[in-house]
Amino acid sequence: NAGVTQTPKFQVLKTGQSMTLQCAQDMNHEYMSWYRQDPGMGLRLIHYSVGAGITDQGEVPNGYNVSRSTTEDFPLRLLSAAPSQTSVYFCASSYSGNTEAFFGQGTRLTVV
Amino acid sequence: KNEVEQSPQNLTAQEGEFITINCSYSVGISALHWLQQHPGGGIVSLFMLSSGKKKHGRLIATINIQEKHSSLHITASHPRDSAVYICVSGNTPLVFGKGTRLSVIA
Repeated sequence: NAGVTQTPKFQVLKTGQSMTLQCAQDMNHEYMSWYRQDPGMGLRLIHYSVGAGITDQGEVPNGYNVSRSTTEDFPLRLLSAAPSQTSVYFCASSYSGNTEAFFGQGTRLTVV
Repeated sequence: KNEVEQSPQNLTAQEGEFITINCSYSVGISALHWLQQHPGGGIVSLFMLSSGKKKHGRLIATINIQEKHSSLHITASHPRDSAVYICVSGNTPLVFGKGTRLSVIA
């Protein structure tokens, strides 16, 4: 049981490049979400999904795309990276919003 | 819109002290999470509670649904408790407090 696996752990991008942050869970959780963590801001919700085929925007969705084709995977795509997207990104999953949440180890992304 | 407020933002304690971190939220919820984030960045779920009190080792979490308030207590604090503690509303989608940075000095 691997829990929530998030890759990569570190990434440096040039402005304008695209990339995908991977998130996978093996706990059959319906609820998955992506957050970014910036100094003094706490974690802010980017996108979330309450099940396969269902996604919705969070507080800061601009510049990011998501899809949920399977229960296990919830990738986050940066379409055209900008320096403002420099942050630490966390993926989380839970059976529902009212059950224990499990977090990936985070991805530290730097856009130069 | 649900807002989650934590206090204090920063806390420094001497080893052995009893510590309390408070969390208030604006919208009625059915569950609340307490998370711990260590300096290395990893996040661990400490508690998920919907009523009353839960205890795990030296950590105790309480919630008062009517008052929309929760507290996290650490008894006999230790330097290894130094971390950021985050309160999270359990409603979908999750709403995070900004965290309380705790430093316990030996």
